[in-house]
Amino acid sequence: NAGVTQTPKFQVLKTGQSMTLQCAQDMNHNSMYWYRQDPGMGLRLIYYSASEGTTDKGEVPNGYNVSRLNKREFSLRLESAAPSQTSVYFCASRTGLLNTEAFFGQGTRLTVV
Amino acid sequence: GIQVEQSPPDLILQEGANSTLRCNFSDSVNNLQWFHQNPWGQLINLFYIPSGTKQNGRLSATTVATERYSLLYISSSQTTDSGVYFCAGAQTGANNLFFGTGTRLTVIP
Repeated sequence: NAGVTQTPKFQVLKTGQSMTLQCAQDMNHNSMYWYRQDPGMGLRLIYYSASEGTTDKGEVPNGYNVSRLNKREFSLRLESAAPSQTSVYFCASRTGLLNTEAFFGQGTRLTVV
Repeated sequence: GIQVEQSPPDLILQEGANSTLRCNFSDSVNNLQWFHQNPWGQLINLFYIPSGTKQNGRLSATTVATERYSLLYISSSQTTDSGVYFCAGAQTGANNLFFGTGTRLTVIP
């Protein structure tokens, strides 16, 4: 019963490097989300995918791209990492029906030096 | 977006004590959740509670949607309750869950 699985758990990047964070869910959910959490703050939405084949910007999309690969997988890409992108990244999913519960992965701690 | 205010920001309790955490929303929400972020950073779902009252063991939550607030009650606190408690809400049909900045709870033996 994996739920939402994120890889990797930890990553250190140099400024200017690129990387992709992976997320997969096995709950047959339609909607998937990427959030970031900075120290002392709650989570903020980067991008979401309401259903397979669609993606939309959230509150803080600059510097990121996403791909909804299929119903299970939603990836987040940093094309040219910056120190300001040092954060903990969470993926989430929910059924997509109105007013339903969201479930979160275990997070990816990213440090950009 | 919706502004979410949580209080208190920090709380230190002796093991066995009870506590109430509060979450206020700037606008009506129809999708409200409480989470516990444990010391390892995992976000654990506590309650999905757009309205009414729910109980799960020593924890219970009440949402008064018409007055735009929710309360989380922790009774007989244990050291394992330590961590940060977040509430988050979204308007009907909206995709973005707006989070508060959390209440950091420390339970000491």
